[in-house]
Amino acid sequence: AQRVTQPEKLLSVFKGAPVELKCNYSYSGSPELFWYVQYSRQRLQLLLRHISRESIKGFTADLNKGETSFHLKKPFAQEEDSAMYYCALLGGYNKLIFGAGTRLAVHP
Amino acid sequence: GAGVSQTPSNKVTEKGKYVELRCDPISGHTALYWYRQSLGQGPEFLIYFQGTGAADDSGLPNDRFFAVRPEGSVSTLKIQRTERGDSAVYLCASSATGGGYNEQFFGPGTRLTVL
Repeated sequence: AQRVTQPEKLLSVFKGAPVELKCNYSYSGSPELFWYVQYSRQRLQLLLRHISRESIKGFTADLNKGETSFHLKKPFAQEEDSAMYYCALLGGYNKLIFGAGTRLAVHP
Repeated sequence: GAGVSQTPSNKVTEKGKYVELRCDPISGHTALYWYRQSLGQGPEFLIYFQGTGAADDSGLPNDRFFAVRPEGSVSTLKIQRTERGDSAVYLCASSATGGGYNEQFFGPGTRLTVL
């Protein structure tokens, strides 16, 4: 079965602290994984995809096939990072399979 | 340029009524997706159009749900005999093509409330 699990509903940190948003997946085959972000009163948007191996807004995510994980990390959180973060897996016909999301709250 | 738009932004209806939700994709995008997001959950796939045809409707929960895209642009999601469990935010997304992965651009969603 194709599934994405985000075990934390809420992650609360102070500004400047490191952040790690966890994502585990279940997929038979070579997965394509993404992180989407939704800021307050804005629409869902792509943050990054593993295949690009890029850093966006200081965030990175590494695909670990052995642990079937794709955790999102940032060394120093900023208040403007506060948002809902969704991990997603690409299924057949390019449909996205989302996790339940993690709310990141960065406090001053 | 304009992004994906959805109308209405909010829809309140009574149990048993029929509703239509509209999606205007980004101009020129041939692929269009509908997702449903229930409270506290991530978006859940409903249906995917490539051009005018539904290439994958495996996510539609039952035969009360139907979607069309007659001219390969605007799409309408139709829900018959609405139930309280249909209450959710309905998201539409479009991408340039359906082949290989192209970024999906999401609309603001329609919040459906069934009383």
